[in-house]
Amino acid sequence: EVQLVQSGAEVKKPGESLKISCKGSGYSFTTYWIGWVRQMPGKGLEWMGIIYPGDSDTRYSPSFQGQVTISADKSISTAYLQWSSLKASDTAMYYCVRAWGIVGSRADYWGQGTLVTVSS
Amino acid sequence: QSALTQPRSVSGSPGQSVTISCTGTSSDVGGYNYVSWYQQHPGKAPKLMIYDVSKRPSGVPDRFSGSKSGNTASLTISGLQAEDEADYYCCSYAGSYTRVFGGGTKLTVL
Repeated sequence: EVQLVQSGAEVKKPGESLKISCKGSGYSFTTYWIGWVRQMPGKGLEWMGIIYPGDSDTRYSPSFQGQVTISADKSISTAYLQWSSLKASDTAMYYCVRAWGIVGSRADYWGQGTLVTVSS
Repeated sequence: QSALTQPRSVSGSPGQSVTISCTGTSSDVGGYNYVSWYQQHPGKAPKLMIYDVSKRPSGVPDRFSGSKSGNTASLTISGLQAEDEADYYCCSYAGSYTRVFGGGTKLTVL
């Protein structure tokens, strides 16, 4: 069974760093892309970027370039999303999703989401 | 990159059909046959319902169908059921290896 399991909810202060994870199982982790999607409270979905765990090729949406870092460790089938200095506006639910290609529309299995709360 | 435009809300009675539109530009919806639709129930992760404009993943009822004309894609749900009440998001490939979502549409089953 294909699964993406994300790390648990986080509560952080502004200026702190954070790295959340997304572990894949039940499929060949290195032959699909992993995308990250933000959903701010009560708002819609936003595409952040995508990584190919096979060679760590990473592409960012212009809105998120320079704001976050996407990485992956294929040895443990895990993708990451990290911030070096959180802002209150980073408060959101973050989802990882398996994508069939860097070009395309098929993104089928989603993680359960990681809620990040940034508050002083 | 601007979000794709969806109606804020649509509604229909059980058994009826509803259509949700998703309008973009020639740089996204109109430029590629890479539109997908996601269903999201409150407090849950999104679920893929349609990809590549009109393809249905295994397990998605054939009551759900997708189409595209020019810069506008559409999701049609026929034979509405109470369980279809949810938020629906379109998503399009937008070039430069990125994607853009619509603002979301709340479907109410009356």
